[in-house]
Amino acid sequence: EVQLVESGGGLVQPGRSLKLSCAASGFTFSNYYMAWVRQAPKKGLEWVATISTSGSRTYYPDSVKGRFTISRDNAKSSLYLQMNSLKSEDTATYYCARHLMGFAYWGQGTLVTVSS
Amino acid sequence: EIVLTQSPTTMAASPGEKVTLTCRASSSVSYMHWYQQRSGTSPKLWIYETSKLASGVPNRFSGSGSGTSYSLTINSMETEDAATYYCQQGSSYPWTFGGGTKLELK
Repeated sequence: EVQLVESGGGLVQPGRSLKLSCAASGFTFSNYYMAWVRQAPKKGLEWVATISTSGSRTYYPDSVKGRFTISRDNAKSSLYLQMNSLKSEDTATYYCARHLMGFAYWGQGTLVTVSS
Repeated sequence: EIVLTQSPTTMAASPGEKVTLTCRASSSVSYMHWYQQRSGTSPKLWIYETSKLASGVPNRFSGSGSGTSYSLTINSMETEDAATYYCQQGSSYPWTFGGGTKLELK
């Protein structure tokens, strides 16, 4: 059974940093692109980042480019999202997802609140 | 960036009723994915590559479309289908989602 478990969310002040983690199990992690997708409270879904199988290629929308960095450790079956210079509009639940022909599997999400 | 517009934003359907949700793209895309999100839970991939049902999805659901117009149809509404449905395009970077259609039970 595919399982994705996010951690690392919490309350952070504007301008500060936070790093999210996602532990994957139930599939060969190194064979799949992985992604982060977020959802602001009571709002829709927004793709945040994607990383290739080896980690050599990364993709971001303009809204987070230059501030967020996606990475992975295939030996640990883990995905990460380093978020710097956080803004109030980054407040959201962040989901880890397996990215192949859509976002096929999702974790339960971790809430990030950016507020002073 | 391709903008996806879903309609209606909210709708209510009675058990047994046929339901059609629409997603329109600002530019042509090769296919569309759909997600179901029930209240308080994570989204689930529901239909991929326009018309393929994800594992476990009942066959009362179907998807169709091409170019800039796509739809998700429920042949006969059931209680468990009440949820928000999002379309998503994977043809063109950056990948984008529609704003969602909230489907309620009447």
